[in-house]
Amino acid sequence: QSALTQPASVSGSPGQSITISCTGTSNDVGTYNLVSWYQHHPGTAPKLIIYGVSKRPSGVSNRFSGSKSGNTASLTISGLQADDEADYYCCSYGGTSAFNVFGTGTTVTIL
Amino acid sequence: EVRLLESGGGLVQPGGSLRLSCAVSGFTFRDFAMTWVRQAPGKGLEWVSSITDSGHSTYYADSVRGRFAISRDNSNNTLYLQMIGLRPEDTALYYCTKDQGHMDFWGQGTTVTVSS
Repeated sequence: QSALTQPASVSGSPGQSITISCTGTSNDVGTYNLVSWYQHHPGTAPKLIIYGVSKRPSGVSNRFSGSKSGNTASLTISGLQADDEADYYCCSYGGTSAFNVFGTGTTVTIL
Repeated sequence: EVRLLESGGGLVQPGGSLRLSCAVSGFTFRDFAMTWVRQAPGKGLEWVSSITDSGHSTYYADSVRGRFAISRDNSNNTLYLQMIGLRPEDTALYYCTKDQGHMDFWGQGTTVTVSS
């Protein structure tokens, strides 16, 4: 049950776009379209922002988008805003042995 | 409104036990799987355990298998996590989540501290 690999930090200026990668294996990200992304502001509960690789829950801004290619999933945040500064985690179903696997987490900083 | 309220955390000595509870409202509890996720101080999110809607199937991270037991009471809309043989590395904020292939609702968490 190894964690999915994410960059430790990504930064961007207001209005720009950034992309966070999430690399797994053929046992998780590469096989299942059950990749989700969570936004976590310290001191609050994590918030689901993408599920099923690219679907957005009701109420989540369309500035957030997800995709997948092979064993790597990606989260793109467009039109960066101050409130986007947070930690972001990917998560993938890993089959009945691993079930859920989180990514290592990425801190997004707005310059 | 969906609500998940965790309780039962606290300070416990290494080797000790705790039972976490999660009281749920705002959705039909018996229709959904549930999951516990934790975050150790300064660390990332870690999946701990999941249970199917009926409670018949349970799943555990390698780090807690054999020491933690997840269960649910569908009559009382409550999720549990029984923890025994606690270790300092179990120190974390424990979140209860509603799980339908993705964790769409989270509680605010309950803190477990394992220390002598």
